[in-house]
Amino acid sequence: LAKTTQPISMDSYEGQEVNITCSHNNIATNDYITWYQQFPSQGPRFIIQGYKTKVTNEVASLFIPADRKSSTLSLPRVSLSDTAVYYCLVGEGYGGSQGNLIFGKGTKLSVKP
Amino acid sequence: DGGITQSPKYLFRKEGQNVTLSCEQNLNHDAMYWYRQDPGQGLRLIYYSQIVNDFQKGDIAEGYSVSREKKESFPLTVTSAQKNPTAFYLCASSMGTGGMKETQYFGPGTRLLVL
Repeated sequence: LAKTTQPISMDSYEGQEVNITCSHNNIATNDYITWYQQFPSQGPRFIIQGYKTKVTNEVASLFIPADRKSSTLSLPRVSLSDTAVYYCLVGEGYGGSQGNLIFGKGTKLSVKP
Repeated sequence: DGGITQSPKYLFRKEGQNVTLSCEQNLNHDAMYWYRQDPGQGLRLIYYSQIVNDFQKGDIAEGYSVSREKKESFPLTVTSAQKNPTAFYLCASSMGTGGMKETQYFGPGTRLLVL
């Protein structure tokens, strides 16, 4: 099972670039890396997904080194509205006995003015 | 508007009472999920369904039951056997038969409180 480790919290200021790293040493060959964002009292929202190298969309970039044992979510020029919890998920299958559909505690990002 | 709706937004349960949380989606998605979130914690999978009339237990299914009689609906019943039901419940769906590769779309959640 590909367990993930993320920092519990991070602080930043408006306009800065924020990088959140997720460790997943036991990632399997077929596993994808997915990041979600969650605001208080709301459901999580998909941000980005990747398998290897770099993926970029209108919201963020995802950097994955060749060994795929970690990944970094990069948020360019954050604003106050980016204050949220960010979850890193790694896996292919479902929860239950497979246990791959696991949202850990995530990283609580606080953006200050 | 396409999306997932959950109702009610807040739900109060009395001791020994069963309560049912509604989840409806009009995205034509095959897979649906129920998660529980406790304060300051991540999400834990309760049940998931890949297709109509079929569902599987997640990591914390005890004290909960589900049904999937229609593609667009996946109600969750919190039974009296669930001794600590106070939590934020989230329903989600994904396009295909599910799994980590698919984007999950979440509803707004139902907050369940015990009286």
